[in-house]
Amino acid sequence: DAKTTQPNSMESNEEEPVHLPCNHSTISGTDYIHWYRQLPSQGPEYVIHGLTSNVNNRMASLAIAEDRKSSTLILHRATLRDAAVYYCILRDQGGSEKLVFGKGTKLTVNP
Amino acid sequence: NAGVTQTPKFRILKIGQSMTLQCTQDMNHNYMYWYRQDPGMGLKLIYYSVGAGITDKGEVPNGYNVSRSTTEDFPLRLELAAPSQTSVYFCASSRPRDRRSSSPLHFGNGTRLTVT
Repeated sequence: DAKTTQPNSMESNEEEPVHLPCNHSTISGTDYIHWYRQLPSQGPEYVIHGLTSNVNNRMASLAIAEDRKSSTLILHRATLRDAAVYYCILRDQGGSEKLVFGKGTKLTVNP
Repeated sequence: NAGVTQTPKFRILKIGQSMTLQCTQDMNHNYMYWYRQDPGMGLKLIYYSVGAGITDKGEVPNGYNVSRSTTEDFPLRLELAAPSQTSVYFCASSRPRDRRSSSPLHFGNGTRLTVT
């Protein structure tokens, strides 16, 4: 079973910020938080990952709660091309490589 | 860079036929994975491998076999195709873990398989 839970769907308007939540209450100390997204009819693509500190890259920002039991992917200005399914997964640096994806959050961006 | 390459892109099989889905990567990644994605659903892990000669079952391994004789290739074999195996199959690869950092998964573009 997936170790993360996400809302099934979210909506946003173009050029507005989007905050996509992920709960991972059973996270262990060696779990990294990874985010991927899947555009329609494509394979998933990597977005961002982090361990404890907030992270920024050209695609998005990742805000990690102090207790690490939740995280939020932030798209600062949503575009129509950001409409996709977003997946949050945990990758254990010290344990199994059995990487399980949940159902993700389907993001709809309105023009 | 080619990245992760999957062939074929599309395939239609009859019930009981067999086939091999090919996956190759040119990034010298030790870790490789096979996922399937049914319509409107998330990804389910079929098998994974942490290096040549090593494979492990994922969430849904029944009806599939894998082998990993080289670092580059990780083929997925369907021996007796069934309609329940109609899905899109994605292969992924990654650098090995180390305790100081984590590495992203790189996915191929998928193989769309229909079994009728």
